[in-house]
Amino acid sequence: GQNIDQPTEMTATEGAIVQINCTYQTSGFNGLFWYQQHAGEAPTFLSYNVLDGLEEKGRFSSFLSRSKGYSYLLLKELQMKDSASYLCAAPREGQAGTALIFGKGTTLSVSS
Amino acid sequence: GAGVSQSPSNKVTEKGKDVELRCDPISGHTALYWYRQSLGQGLEFLIYFQGNSAPDKSGLPSDRFSAERTGGSVSTLTIQRTQQEDSAVYLCASSLGDVSNQPQHFGDGTRLSIL
Repeated sequence: GQNIDQPTEMTATEGAIVQINCTYQTSGFNGLFWYQQHAGEAPTFLSYNVLDGLEEKGRFSSFLSRSKGYSYLLLKELQMKDSASYLCAAPREGQAGTALIFGKGTTLSVSS
Repeated sequence: GAGVSQSPSNKVTEKGKDVELRCDPISGHTALYWYRQSLGQGLEFLIYFQGNSAPDKSGLPSDRFSAERTGGSVSTLTIQRTQQEDSAVYLCASSLGDVSNQPQHFGDGTRLSIL
């Protein structure tokens, strides 16, 4: 079967760095996605990792270790607008282009 | 428009009624997905359309749920004889197709409330 786990909630302060972890079990593997979802809004794409290592994109970076079934999203120089839910997701049964299996999301609260 | 469009944005209906939710994907996107998101739960896959292939219906929770996609574009999700547990946000997404790294683009969803 497939399973994606991530912490339910995290808190941090403006300007800080936060790391949101995700562990997954899939029958196959075809990449891992991170999405951001502000309350009441649609999820928006942040990153995609298919190879081991760190992918940096401005203040956000995403890391993948396929051997450990582990990923994290790193947010630097936190801003209030980063308060949102962060969703880790993987293709169902590792098949490219199919629907995604999502974790329940990590709600990040950034305070001043 | 440039994004995925869903209508209505909100729907309140009585238990037992049928509802239809509409999704207009991004032009040129061959793949279309329906998910639902209940309070405190992750996004749950419902159904997936890819081009002219038979849809993957394996996520539909019961036979009260059905969906179609006409002309490879607009899709409607129908829930018959609605129950209170059907209350959720129904999200539609589209992507360029069966390519690994193509992200799914989501609409703003339809918030369905069953009284």
